[in-house]
Amino acid sequence: DTAVSQTPKYLVTQMGNDKSIKCEQNLGHDTMYWYKQDSKKFLKIMFSYNNKELIINETVPNRFSPKSPDKAHLNLHINSLELGDSAVYFCASSRVQGGYEQYFGPGTRLTVT
Amino acid sequence: SQQGEEDPQALSIQEGENATMNCSYKTSINNLQWYRQNSGRGLVHLILIRSNEREKHSGRLRVTLDTSKKSSSLLITASRAADTASYFCATDMDTGRRALTFGSGTRLQVQP
Repeated sequence: DTAVSQTPKYLVTQMGNDKSIKCEQNLGHDTMYWYKQDSKKFLKIMFSYNNKELIINETVPNRFSPKSPDKAHLNLHINSLELGDSAVYFCASSRVQGGYEQYFGPGTRLTVT
Repeated sequence: SQQGEEDPQALSIQEGENATMNCSYKTSINNLQWYRQNSGRGLVHLILIRSNEREKHSGRLRVTLDTSKKSSSLLITASRAADTASYFCATDMDTGRRALTFGSGTRLQVQP
């Protein structure tokens, strides 16, 4: 059984479009995250939710809006996509908030043309 | 620069050799973790070492932590081709930030 799943795995779209990435975890974890991994493999946290409450919101353009309908789901909606948004986006979860072991999804490779 | 920086950026060894990767960080930490990322996949947690621990083992993995030097090392013994991956250190900073900060990783290539 997949612990942390993301859809879609690949997303190719044009500049200016709006797109969403979905994430679900079946681990019963309280905390979920979105990370962006750039072409140099650097992994940067974007958002963190704990029991549906936003607890970390790094310096991310407000074109990015996370939504957590319940603690098992954390979706990422991106408006007005730009070339610089091309990256791999990872969802992750941890049992509770804080510096605990994190479980990662397989990633969504977003390509903006 | 980043909280966690791995060294070297890339490492190529022969199967059976040991691989050592280092991580340096800047601020005090609660714990440090190592993750592996196979090409095109998500990160997988390998090991967590707390700030009051100096060494930890898990199978062929050995992690050391030197808080006075703000550094950690990951040793993979008797490497296998399947160990080919990128390895990241991540720190839980003692700032109440409630999140991990990842380095940029070491790309390990194990030649069969």
